[in-house]
Amino acid sequence: GAGVSQSPSNKVTEKGKDVELRCDPISGHTALYWYRQSLGQGLEFLIYFQGNSAPDKSGLPSDRFSAERTGGSVSTLTIQRTQQEDSAVYLCASSPQYEVNTEAFFGQGTRLTVV
Amino acid sequence: QQQVKQSPQSLIVQKGGISIINCAYENTAFDYFPWYQQFPGKGPALLIAIRPDVSEKKEGRFTISFNKSAKQFSLHIMDSQPGDSATYFCAASISSGGFKTIFGAGTRLFVKA
Repeated sequence: GAGVSQSPSNKVTEKGKDVELRCDPISGHTALYWYRQSLGQGLEFLIYFQGNSAPDKSGLPSDRFSAERTGGSVSTLTIQRTQQEDSAVYLCASSPQYEVNTEAFFGQGTRLTVV
Repeated sequence: QQQVKQSPQSLIVQKGGISIINCAYENTAFDYFPWYQQFPGKGPALLIAIRPDVSEKKEGRFTISFNKSAKQFSLHIMDSQPGDSATYFCAASISSGGFKTIFGAGTRLFVKA
């Protein structure tokens, strides 16, 4: 596709269940970010992948959160034992980091609701 | 040192007025300063960006002013319109070496008709 694709667009889950959120970045983009955005709030950085380097996990709020990026392309954000405070929009972005223009292209997000 | 501080948190402007959003940074290695615009239900999208070799960049009604010595940059929206109502994020990054982009906390702009 032409842009960053995230799935599902909406997810409602019961407290305590695990969820997986998927991000398909723009082809060829070496950098991939996950952010969390609570209602009306700013972008909370979660994790950053850059090529084959070790990911920057400094933003993950707890060990219930993890992310993988397979083959330098698709990424999955997993939240285990979901809590109500995990309810938010999860945004993925990719960037051609090694080029002069380091614009980040965002997906539409996955709205997660934990009930 | 990696933070980008953005203000105000929210802003209400009359139609036709000037909206001004300010950002400040510490890391002098930053060399790319984009602004992103986010409408409800959408992901942020690049609006305008500047590099520190110029002090101002203008695209239509949107202008970035950059003060390298003060380590500050600002977004000015001239003749603000209700359609400009959105959340605006400033950001900073280093264009080489795989450094991640750092975002400000965002400013919610509401333009009154």
